Amino acid sequence: QKEVEQNSGPLSVPEGAIASLNCTYSDRGSQSFFWYRQYSGKSPELIMFIYSNGDKEDGRFTAQLNKASQYVSLLIRDSQPSDSATYLCAVPHLQGAQKLVFGQGTRLTINP
Amino acid sequence: EAGVTQFPSHSVIEKGQTVTLRCDPISGHDNLYWYRRVMGKEIKFLLHFVKESKQDESGMPNNRFLAERTGGTYSTLKVQPAELEDSGVYFCASSQDISGLYGYTFGSGTRLTVV
Repeated sequence: QKEVEQNSGPLSVPEGAIASLNCTYSDRGSQSFFWYRQYSGKSPELIMFIYSNGDKEDGRFTAQLNKASQYVSLLIRDSQPSDSATYLCAVPHLQGAQKLVFGQGTRLTINP
Repeated sequence: EAGVTQFPSHSVIEKGQTVTLRCDPISGHDNLYWYRRVMGKEIKFLLHFVKESKQDESGMPNNRFLAERTGGTYSTLKVQPAELEDSGVYFCASSQDISGLYGYTFGSGTRLTVV
């Protein structure tokens, strides 16, 4: 089992709808969780991090964490074509918090 | 504030040759990381510097890879001799905070192709 798993997609969502991206992780002791956005040929860009169970909102983005079920999700409301990118879930390694373990990423396409 | 800069952006070399990748972190960031993404796989950790010291090099694939950060500023990653399986995108990242709790800033990567 991979440490961090994501559906690679592609995930297609119509413009204006809610895009839902999911990530599961294997280490029950994981404490923090990151979502990065990566446009094609560009660097991964940190868009959200979450530590506590529940929801964390930042503009059109909401991160949801459920430690009991070991999943973290990212919701994008009012999806825009500019949201089309690969979204990477990352979790610090338990044996070195500075070392991130990434999922494979979900490719999201917002259709106008 | 300038971001994390990597050079070159692309490199195509023949198997057996040597390549050196360079990373300039954000000024003042003591923590510098190297990651790699090979085709079809997830981004994977290679190593972590704190200033000029290697904090964690557990992800380095083998002794053909050598990373340095003399003076605690920019870093180089040398691959010698390069093999076909070394092809991929090499990312550098930096952070001011050592805890790892706030993520870090990535460079745009060096795409290495070994033919």
